[in-house]
Amino acid sequence: GESVGLHLPTLSVQEGDNSIINCAYSNSASDYFIWYKQESGKGPQFIIDIRSNMDKRQGQRVTVLLNKTVKHLSLQIAATQPGDSAVYFCAASNNNAGNMLTFGGGTRLMVKP
Amino acid sequence: EPEVTQTPSHQVTQMGQEVILRCVPISNHLYFYWYRQILGQKVEFLVSFYNNEISEKSEIFDDQFSVERPDGSNFTLKIRSTKLEDSAMYFCASSPDSNQPQHFGDGTRLSIL
Repeated sequence: GESVGLHLPTLSVQEGDNSIINCAYSNSASDYFIWYKQESGKGPQFIIDIRSNMDKRQGQRVTVLLNKTVKHLSLQIAATQPGDSAVYFCAASNNNAGNMLTFGGGTRLMVKP
Repeated sequence: EPEVTQTPSHQVTQMGQEVILRCVPISNHLYFYWYRQILGQKVEFLVSFYNNEISEKSEIFDDQFSVERPDGSNFTLKIRSTKLEDSAMYFCASSPDSNQPQHFGDGTRLSIL
C-alpha cells in the first residue's frame, strides 16, 4: 500500500527566507503528487501538483521537486511571508487506485517576523 | 473563485443516530470525494464518486456509510448509526476530471456524544 510521510513536524523560518518542506512516499507506482496548505479552521488548499513524468514544477513563489529514485518530493517557498504560516500536506495517488489521495502527516510552517 | 461548500460547519450528534453531511461541489466538476481527519491524525480517503456511482472506497467506508448526489448540485455523506470513533473533520472535495487537482471544502466537524 501507499504511505506518505513527512520528515519534520514543525519548521520555523524567518520572514523573507526560503522554506523547504520535505515528503517521502513508499509506493513506487505513485504517479501524481500534490501539495496542500491548511490554515486553522479551513480545508486543504491546493498549492501545486506534479506528475511522475516531471522532476520539477514551478508556480508563483513555490517550486515542487520530485525525485522518483529515492521517492522524495519537496516544496520550496521563496521569500516566505507571515501569510505562509500553516500546515502543509503532501499527498500522492496513482492511476490504478483511481483518484484516491494518500496524505502525509503534515508539517507546520511558522514564519517569524 | 469557485469553492466547495460544506454544511453544517459543526454537527453534534448522539451515538447511534444518523447524520447527513452536505456538500456543494464546484459546479463544473464531475468527480466528488469525501475524506476525514481525526484530530491529530492524517487526512484519510473515504470514497470517490463519479457518474452517479462510487468509483473507489477505502476500508473505512463500511456499510454504515453511504453517499448520494440527490440533485445536480449536492453531494451528501450519510453515516447511518454513528459511533464515538466517527468523530472527526469530514472534508468534501471535487475535481473537474480524474487528472486534475482536488479542491476541498472547509469541512464539517462531527462530534459524536
